[in-house]
Amino acid sequence: EIVLTQSPDTLSLSPGERAILSCRTSQSVWRRYLAWYQQKPGQAPRLLIYGSSNRPTGIPDRFSGSVSGTEFTLTISNLEPEDFAVYFCHFYGTSRTFGQGTKVDVK
Amino acid sequence: QVQLQQGGAGLVKPSETLSLTCAVHGGSFIGFYWSWIRQPPGKGLEWIGEISDSGSTTYRPSLRSRVTISADAARKQFSLRLRSVTAADTAVYYCARWAVPIYGYDYWGQGTLVVVSS
Repeated sequence: EIVLTQSPDTLSLSPGERAILSCRTSQSVWRRYLAWYQQKPGQAPRLLIYGSSNRPTGIPDRFSGSVSGTEFTLTISNLEPEDFAVYFCHFYGTSRTFGQGTKVDVK
Repeated sequence: QVQLQQGGAGLVKPSETLSLTCAVHGGSFIGFYWSWIRQPPGKGLEWIGEISDSGSTTYRPSLRSRVTISADAARKQFSLRLRSVTAADTAVYYCARWAVPIYGYDYWGQGTLVVVSS
């Protein structure tokens, strides 16, 4: 079973700064199946990135995804007030695994 | 615009069966996988299972003995039944659409908090 480990658990930043979130997989995976979601309190998650680096329609281009080996990265280039939230990575493998989440909060 | 509308009881007694439904509005039922995902209070997301438009199901191994997901494509609706619930099943339950072309959950229901308590 693939395990996803996100880091850090919490990222404290100010608006305008850049956020870099990591999701490491326990073994090499097909990057097409790795997605990122944003979740705000009391809301359902929202798809941010699919196929490791693709943005759905309507997602701002300050959100970007990349991969190097077994490390997948979500970058938010210029934090807006509405970006402070929890971010989950997800791999569509046998167990459809989610990472434990990274909370981006205001410094 | 696609909307997933959840329904079902928010309070279930221990050992009884949790039942939730998810109605699909504004989009096709065909060509997608329909999933249930839950989130215990203050914790992360846990995939429960999914059903294809043709009725093929896949479940989380640890829940397989207690879970049934069914669908009615004509009514564009799918359902979750989780038997023999305990307090550990207390969570917000979400339905979601998994889209093959993008390999992601692109639409979600509003979530239903289900509390298991006597």
